[in-house]
Amino acid sequence: DSGVTQTPKHLITATGQRVTLRCSPRSGDLSVYWYQQSLDQGLQFLIQYYNGEERAKGNILERFSAQQFPDLHSELNLSSLELGDSALYFCASSVRNGLVGETQYFGPGTRLLVL
Amino acid sequence: AQKVTQAQTEISVVEKEDVTLDCVYETRDTTYYLFWYKQPPSGELVFLIRRNSFDEQNEISGRYSWNFQKSTSSFNFTITASQVVDSAVYFCALSATGTASKLTFGTGTRLQVTL
Repeated sequence: DSGVTQTPKHLITATGQRVTLRCSPRSGDLSVYWYQQSLDQGLQFLIQYYNGEERAKGNILERFSAQQFPDLHSELNLSSLELGDSALYFCASSVRNGLVGETQYFGPGTRLLVL
Repeated sequence: AQKVTQAQTEISVVEKEDVTLDCVYETRDTTYYLFWYKQPPSGELVFLIRRNSFDEQNEISGRYSWNFQKSTSSFNFTITASQVVDSAVYFCALSATGTASKLTFGTGTRLQVTL
């Protein structure tokens, strides 16, 4: 158990809908990362937050957004869902200032299925 | 740009055999970090090891060992006396100065250990 929690574990929804994925980092970790794992794209970095501020952005679609709250939990919002958004979404956290080289500990993931 | 190549898509071994998983990386940065993660059938990503670009010492942890060679840009992972519980997908990842702290993952190697 990495100490990173994600809810829900599974999510089934329809095209066009909006969903929110939630992540709680390990106790004391200030940085949160979101990754998407799909069969065709593999594991891709989406976005990083550090202590409530956006730190880095990857190939995140405009339909997707995220935020980190004062209690350091993070939410990833996915809207206007398409079939291709079906994937495993991981949250990870790291302890210090979120700079290069810090070990990222991953949560169990949220498996999203868009029908 | 950063790139990680895991040329072996799938490896099958019989229990107690030794197996080496290859990882080749590309980066122009002189400071970078390499990681290995394990993804068992349950789906979570488990951190195994982190190595920085200035430390070329090989590392051994129980049945696991890692061989880092800057001259060939490789960071290979060997499991000695494999066990059925080692069956998983193994990912090599890179974090480099020029890309903030995001992890760039390889495509993974699926290891199947049978009795």
